[in-house]
Amino acid sequence: EVQLVQSGGGLVQPGDSLRLSCVVSGLTFSSRWMTWVRQAPGKGLEWVALMSPDGGQKFYVDSVKGRFIISRDNSKNSLYLQLNSLGAEDTATYYCAKDVERGLDSWGQGVLVTVSS
Amino acid sequence: DIVMTQTPLSSPVTLGQPASISCRSSQSLVDSDGNTFLSWLQQRPGQPPRLLIYRVSNRFSGVPDRFSGSGAGTDFTLKISRVEAEDVGVYYCMQATQRPWTFGQGTKVEIK
Repeated sequence: EVQLVQSGGGLVQPGDSLRLSCVVSGLTFSSRWMTWVRQAPGKGLEWVALMSPDGGQKFYVDSVKGRFIISRDNSKNSLYLQLNSLGAEDTATYYCAKDVERGLDSWGQGVLVTVSS
Repeated sequence: DIVMTQTPLSSPVTLGQPASISCRSSQSLVDSDGNTFLSWLQQRPGQPPRLLIYRVSNRFSGVPDRFSGSGAGTDFTLKISRVEAEDVGVYYCMQATQRPWTFGQGTKVEIK
């Protein structure tokens, strides 16, 4: 069974940083494209970032470019999202998800990031 | 960016009756290789999204066959042949043909 277990959310102040983690089991992590998607409270889904299996390709939505960094450690079956210079607009539940033919077929449980003073 | 527009935004349905959700993209989702990366996801209250359909019409493993996807180019449809109580939730279309990947606004399916 494929499982994605997330950690790292919390309450931070504007301008702070946070790192989210996603540990994947039940599949060959090192061969999978992985993504981060977020959902502001009561709102819809927003794609945030995408990373290739070897980590060599990274893509971001414009609103987080230069502030967020996606990374992975294939030896630990782990995906990360470093969130820097956080603002109120980044308040959301963040999900990691696995890609299959560009459909997101497995999702983490989500972690809430709240940015507030 | 490709804008995905879903209609309706809310769909009250009688149990056992069909439901249909439309998703229109602001430009064609066919890529240079002829592939169309349009998927449908379901999000039940308090849960992460769940993949139902990928590449327009492919039902994901474990998804009941009352769910079906169709369409081409810029117009796509998700159909539920007979709505059951467990189908309550918000449904999203998502395009992954062009980055940034984008979602529709979501359609809330509820029981009348």
